[in-house]
Amino acid sequence: AQKITQTQPGMFVQEKEAVTLDCTYDTSDQSYGLFWYKQPSSGEMIFLIYQGSYDEQNATEGRYSLNFQKARKSANLVISASQLGDSAMYFCAMRASSGGSYIPTFGRGTSLIVHP
Amino acid sequence: NAGVTQTPKFQVLKTGQSMTLQCAQDMNHEYMSWYRQDPGMGLRLIHYSVGAGITDQGEVPNGYNVSRSTTEDFPLRLLSAAPSQTSVYFCASTVWQGGTGELFFGEGSRLTVL
Repeated sequence: AQKITQTQPGMFVQEKEAVTLDCTYDTSDQSYGLFWYKQPSSGEMIFLIYQGSYDEQNATEGRYSLNFQKARKSANLVISASQLGDSAMYFCAMRASSGGSYIPTFGRGTSLIVHP
Repeated sequence: NAGVTQTPKFQVLKTGQSMTLQCAQDMNHEYMSWYRQDPGMGLRLIHYSVGAGITDQGEVPNGYNVSRSTTEDFPLRLLSAAPSQTSVYFCASTVWQGGTGELFFGEGSRLTVL
């Protein structure tokens, strides 16, 4: 069974600083994908970034990067130069190919507040 | 391009009433799913489908029913609403095999059961 753990219920960061949101995962599969989604107060789910288990380089998308440490089974999201609009819930998710099933599993989320 | 469309966005029910949350996608995705989001619990999978005529249970299926008669539509039925079903519901779809598996979400439906 797959499991995603986000140990930080809430995080605070000063505007323009960088912040790391933690995510660890557990799977016995060799092939899997890791995702981060953002949920602002308006409620919609926004896809941020994807990392495949065989990708050799860490994924980056603008100010978002995924610090992928395969041996430690961690997939932390790094947001550089935080902006007020980054205040939101952030969810880590994994999709593993366990027995032909690709059902995504989500963590419980981290609430990020960016202070001016 | 509409993507994933959920209706209604808001609904208030009385205990024991039934209702259907509608979900439609226009991306020809095989995989469709329903999640519920409760504070501190993240997104929990209710039911999912990997194609027309195929459905299966997720983590929290009790009290919910689904069907998938077409690729586009995946309605979620509450058979007899209970206050414990007060939640925000998300429909999501993706390509089943191949691709990254990024989920495309509807805007969510906020359900209150009194």
